[in-house]
Amino acid sequence: NAGVTQTPKFRVLKTGQSMTLLCAQDMNHEYMYWYRQDPGMGLRLIHYSVGEGTTAKGEVPDGYNVSRLKKQNFLLGLESAAPSQTSVYFCASSYEISGEWSYEQYFGPGTRLTVT
Amino acid sequence: TQLLEQSPQFLSIQEGENLTVYCNSSSVFSSLQWYRQEPGEGPVLLVTVVTGGEVKKLKRLTFQFGDARKDSSLHITAAQPGDTGLYLCASINYQLIWGAGTKLIIKP
Repeated sequence: NAGVTQTPKFRVLKTGQSMTLLCAQDMNHEYMYWYRQDPGMGLRLIHYSVGEGTTAKGEVPDGYNVSRLKKQNFLLGLESAAPSQTSVYFCASSYEISGEWSYEQYFGPGTRLTVT
Repeated sequence: TQLLEQSPQFLSIQEGENLTVYCNSSSVFSSLQWYRQEPGEGPVLLVTVVTGGEVKKLKRLTFQFGDARKDSSLHITAAQPGDTGLYLCASINYQLIWGAGTKLIIKP
């Protein structure tokens, strides 16, 4: 099992450009998440999904959109990148136990994005 | 909104020394998790504590959940360079709420 994979690993964008980050998991997990990590601020939840075809906003959703068309994939889009979106982005997934959230999150290796 | 404070923010010690890092909140945790994140990688779960006063051990790491469930500590005995990383605590509500982490460097 590859676990959670993210592409690309690094990206540099100019202000106003758009891009999509791809997250894939091969563990058949129901839940998937996108976080950003900035120095001194810990992980902040951008969007999450509790199943195929469903998405919801997290703590810092502005400027981002997501889609989960397939259970194993969770896409994060930046329509018009801004320097404030320079960050490391992590995708995570988690599973259910008896229909309830298991709490344990499995993380991908991250995407380092710089917006100039 | 629950806020998690981790202390210290940064700790650099010699191999073989002992250390303790802390995670505190102004409100009660339902449950708490500790993760370790190595440079260039995502966080990896170390332990989940659920019951006030609970103590869990993972080799040289000892995790304690405060009796009032508003604080937790991680103690490392005889630290090794492989323990280097960012240690994050996360409180479990309907989602995880994360502390900013303690960056730990163990020098050989």
